[in-house]
Amino acid sequence: AQSVTQLGSHVSVSEGALVLLRCNYSSSVPPYLFWYVQYPNQGLQLLLKYTSAATLVKGINGFEAEFKKSETSFHLTKPSAHMSDAAEYFCAVSDLGGAGNMLTFGGGTRLMVKP
Amino acid sequence: NAGVTQTPKFRILKIGQSMTLQCTQDMNHNYMYWYRQDPGMGLKLIYYSVGAGITDKGEVPNGYNVSRSTTEDFPLRLELAAPSQTSVYFCASSSRGGSGADTQYFGPGTRLTVL
Repeated sequence: AQSVTQLGSHVSVSEGALVLLRCNYSSSVPPYLFWYVQYPNQGLQLLLKYTSAATLVKGINGFEAEFKKSETSFHLTKPSAHMSDAAEYFCAVSDLGGAGNMLTFGGGTRLMVKP
Repeated sequence: NAGVTQTPKFRILKIGQSMTLQCTQDMNHNYMYWYRQDPGMGLKLIYYSVGAGITDKGEVPNGYNVSRSTTEDFPLRLELAAPSQTSVYFCASSSRGGSGADTQYFGPGTRLTVL
């Protein structure tokens, strides 16, 4: 069974500072990995995904993530935080062995941005 | 193109009551999913469907039922509501599945409270 661990349920940064949200996964085969963002009172929307092409994946709103197989990690970064980045972020891994393209989600990290 | 829509947005149920959460997508996606989101727990898959007439259980199906009579609609039925079903429910869809790399598109969610 696959699993996803997001270290830190809450992360606080100052506006303009580096954003680093951590995600580690367990999978017996090379996975597909996703980062989703959830703004208050909204559904999830895709930030970026890794599908075994380039290990450095660029997403929307200036976010990027690097797939590191040796560390089983897929950390999300953004060089300079903006107030509008305040949201909850979810890392997810795709179930390659199943028939339904099912995602296994981490517990989420709430990002707070201080002015 | 509305994407994935869910109704109602909010609902309060009494213990033992029943209700149906509606989900509709207009993207002609074959795969549809129901998740529940509890604080700090990420999203858990309740049921999914790979096409009209085909449904299967996810990680937490107890207390729920689904049907898929059309490509567009995937209602979730709660029978005999219990306080443990207090949660935010998200419906999602994706175009193909199987490859594991498809993006899932989420609705805005239904916030359900059972008292």
